[in-house]
Amino acid sequence: DTEVTQTPKHLVMGMTNKKSLKCEQHMGHRAMYWYKQKAKKPPELMFVYSYEKLSINESVPSRFSPECPNSSLLNLHLHALQPEDSALYLCASSHTAGTSGATYNEQFFGPGTRLTVL
Amino acid sequence: SQQGEEDPQALSIQEGENATMNCSYKTSINNLQWYRQNSGRGLVHLILIRSNEREKHSGRLRVTLDTSKKSSSLLITASRAADTASYFCATYTGGFKTIFGAGTRLFVKA
Repeated sequence: DTEVTQTPKHLVMGMTNKKSLKCEQHMGHRAMYWYKQKAKKPPELMFVYSYEKLSINESVPSRFSPECPNSSLLNLHLHALQPEDSALYLCASSHTAGTSGATYNEQFFGPGTRLTVL
Repeated sequence: SQQGEEDPQALSIQEGENATMNCSYKTSINNLQWYRQNSGRGLVHLILIRSNEREKHSGRLRVTLDTSKKSSSLLITASRAADTASYFCATYTGGFKTIFGAGTRLFVKA
């Protein structure tokens, strides 16, 4: 199974709502990523988990809260978002989080969740 | 921060023609990767070239890497309408980060 799945595909939420995005992979990857992508822009890294521990937080506002319950699952909890947070949220996984120069860090992406904040 | 800059930003060609996209980056890298993204979907990994490699082929794809110029190019030969997508270069410098370039939007007319 070489697929990364994400749910939901689309999400519309108000600024006072709490919602969660979910990501799952069964490729045995031990690194998982959240990216944010605005229209016609490249993906921007938000968080990286390595062996279920948060390794990178790219100064993301606290209204985004990641969680990695186990090696196959990655969640992104959303609370009190702003309209400018509307974007495509992409999850990815890779064989390794890349702790040495010999690693390749090829990433497998899910289809994304299209988030609209009203 | 953005590591890779891509050129052109957009490219429109006829089916059967070749498409060339260029990527420049700023710092030393371990490898450089190219990804394709169909409209509003996830990214698909196309090819990876290591810093000690100069050229790599995969099917209709040819990637070159010039570390002295900090640049790479992706050539798609005999393009098809299904190649219509955005193409991103991504540089990996070790650690946990892959930094994506701005992307080239390719449109292949049937």
